[in-house]
Amino acid sequence: IAGITQAPTSQILAAGRRMTLRCTQDMRHNAMYWYRQDLGLGLRLIHYSNTAGTTGKGEVPDGYSVSRANTDDFPLTLASAVPSQTSVYFCASSNEGSSTQYFGPGTRLTVL
Amino acid sequence: DQQVKQNSPSLSVQEGRISILNCDYTNSMFDYFLWYKKYPAEGPTFLISISSIKDKNEDGRFTVFLNKSAKHLSLHIVPSQPGDSAVYFCAARGSGAGSYQLTFGKGTKLSVIP
Repeated sequence: IAGITQAPTSQILAAGRRMTLRCTQDMRHNAMYWYRQDLGLGLRLIHYSNTAGTTGKGEVPDGYSVSRANTDDFPLTLASAVPSQTSVYFCASSNEGSSTQYFGPGTRLTVL
Repeated sequence: DQQVKQNSPSLSVQEGRISILNCDYTNSMFDYFLWYKKYPAEGPTFLISISSIKDKNEDGRFTVFLNKSAKHLSLHIVPSQPGDSAVYFCAARGSGAGSYQLTFGKGTKLSVIP
């Protein structure tokens, strides 16, 4: 069982380009989340999905979009990347009724 | 407004001694608290949690204490080991149906010195 996988591991991207970060879980968890981690700011929620077909905005959603077509996949898209989106991005999931979230290994994104 | 605060960005402790990591929160609707541990270049991993109906939860070397009246929780690690060196995040969950979302603190970097 892999848990949560994220791709790519790291990416350098030119400003203005479109980028999709992939996240897949094999635990059949209902809820999934995207966070960004920045030095001195901790983990901040970007978007979440409580169940397939639904999504919601977190603390810092601007410039990002998500979709949840099925239980396992929760891609995060940057439509037009900007340097302030340079960060480490973590995907997480949790089971219905549980607050314990399980995190993927992260994607390190640099926007130049 | 930061609802979950970890006011110590870093902490150094000698191996074998106790590590105490602190966390304060402002939202009285939080009813469940978690601690996560994060090594460099890895995702955070769940460590221990506590419900607001309890004041203590223990798991091996790790104990979390909750003081609801002070809106304060702490993580005790006894004895501390070099492998405990990591960033520790405190997180809190709001009450209410479907409230799976967590609010995280900024983290405390623990260094355990051999």
